[in-house]
Amino acid sequence: DVKVTQSSRYLVKRTGEKVFLECVQDMDHENMFWYRQDPGLGLRLIYFSYDVKMKEKGDIPEGYSVSREKKERFSLILESASTNQTSMYLCASSFVDYGYTFGSGTRLTVV
Amino acid sequence: QQQVKQSPQSLIVQKGGISIINCAYENTAFDYFPWYQQFPGKGPALLIAIRPDVSEKKEGRFTISFNKSAKQFSLHIMDSQPGDSATYFCAATLFSGSARQLTFGSGTQLTVLP
Repeated sequence: DVKVTQSSRYLVKRTGEKVFLECVQDMDHENMFWYRQDPGLGLRLIYFSYDVKMKEKGDIPEGYSVSREKKERFSLILESASTNQTSMYLCASSFVDYGYTFGSGTRLTVV
Repeated sequence: QQQVKQSPQSLIVQKGGISIINCAYENTAFDYFPWYQQFPGKGPALLIAIRPDVSEKKEGRFTISFNKSAKQFSLHIMDSQPGDSATYFCAATLFSGSARQLTFGSGTQLTVLP
């Protein structure tokens, strides 16, 4: 089975901190994605990457950046965390476009 | 800008009943329509999917009905079971930029009562 592993299940950070969320996939997938999930809003795409060192903005990239130095690892960075970034963050990967595999999520609380 | 609208937000069904979740989309460029199931503490997992050239797809107790002219599709869960209690997301996908992207509906929390 394809596995997408997110390094932390729960994180509590202070306002203004720089936050790193890590995601690793083990099936050599080309594409990786970061979503945030909020009640009533579904999943919204923050950034995605289709190759190493390549990235594209999704629907809500403001306040976030990403890094993909290796094919299997995709990091989401909150440059200066704010309370409105409290959310569930989901990482996903895909190969030939159609099949997305999600990680179990990181619940981030910014206080 | 919500391109996929999902309803209802929550649904309570008796065991053995039929659960129906509806979605509507706006962008006619969408070419693949998956449904995802999410249990608490887990990420969404692909449940069933359909292409727009097909009007219905059935897998076990789960059926997608697709109406291309109305730009609507729905998930039917027959003989609903308590184990089906989860959040369900419809989605639509198209190739945009450099990769295929998923656009999700807002989700439906299904509770099946024993």
